[in-house]
Amino acid sequence: DGGITQSPKYLFRKEGQNVTLSCEQNLNHDAMYWYRQDPGQGLRLIYYSQIVNDFQKGDIAEGYSVSREKKESFPLTVTSAQKNPTAFYLCASSLRRDSLSMNTEAFFGQGTRLTVV
Amino acid sequence: AQSVTQLDSQVPVFEEAPVELRCNYSSSVSVYLFWYVQYPNQGLQLLLKYLSGSTLVKGINGFEAEFNKSQTSFHLRKPSVHISDTAEYFCAVITKGGGNKLTFGTGTQLKVEL
Repeated sequence: DGGITQSPKYLFRKEGQNVTLSCEQNLNHDAMYWYRQDPGQGLRLIYYSQIVNDFQKGDIAEGYSVSREKKESFPLTVTSAQKNPTAFYLCASSLRRDSLSMNTEAFFGQGTRLTVV
Repeated sequence: AQSVTQLDSQVPVFEEAPVELRCNYSSSVSVYLFWYVQYPNQGLQLLLKYLSGSTLVKGINGFEAEFNKSQTSFHLRKPSVHISDTAEYFCAVITKGGGNKLTFGTGTQLKVEL
């Protein structure tokens, strides 16, 4: 089955530690995204990548880092510089679109709930 | 820059009643519009999308939405809701020619009561 997989589902981190969230997709999508979800704030874009070895900051990139060494993988590292990391993190992917296309849907993983203890 | 506004953070409704969830967007160029649904502790699932053509779009689970360019709106409707429709609903936009950057609204929690 094609899809997008996030792991782990739940993650606990001690203050001052870095932690990496995994996101893998087998949909052959070029574009991948990381969103952070907090109650009442909807989804906010952290980082996105349109193609392998390239990524751009989203609206709230501070305290986060990413890499895109492979098309199917887009891991997110939450660093100790992120002051309030407790949140629900969602990864998504979509076809890259340089011209009008019907396939502009984004597919989402099931999310990772990160808690700082 | 594009933005999405969902005016209602919560919408309570009785089962079998109609419902409308409101969404307005702001963009200086043409857009693609989406509605997603999220059940507790789950990812997002696409309900429907407007890319071009007919302004009335039908989606899964009996939902539909109408694109109104003059009012920059894309309200979601269902004529008769069910308990299982209780979830959070997100409106989202992509600007044409702006790459694949998807911008979301803050979400509307739909609570269906007996």
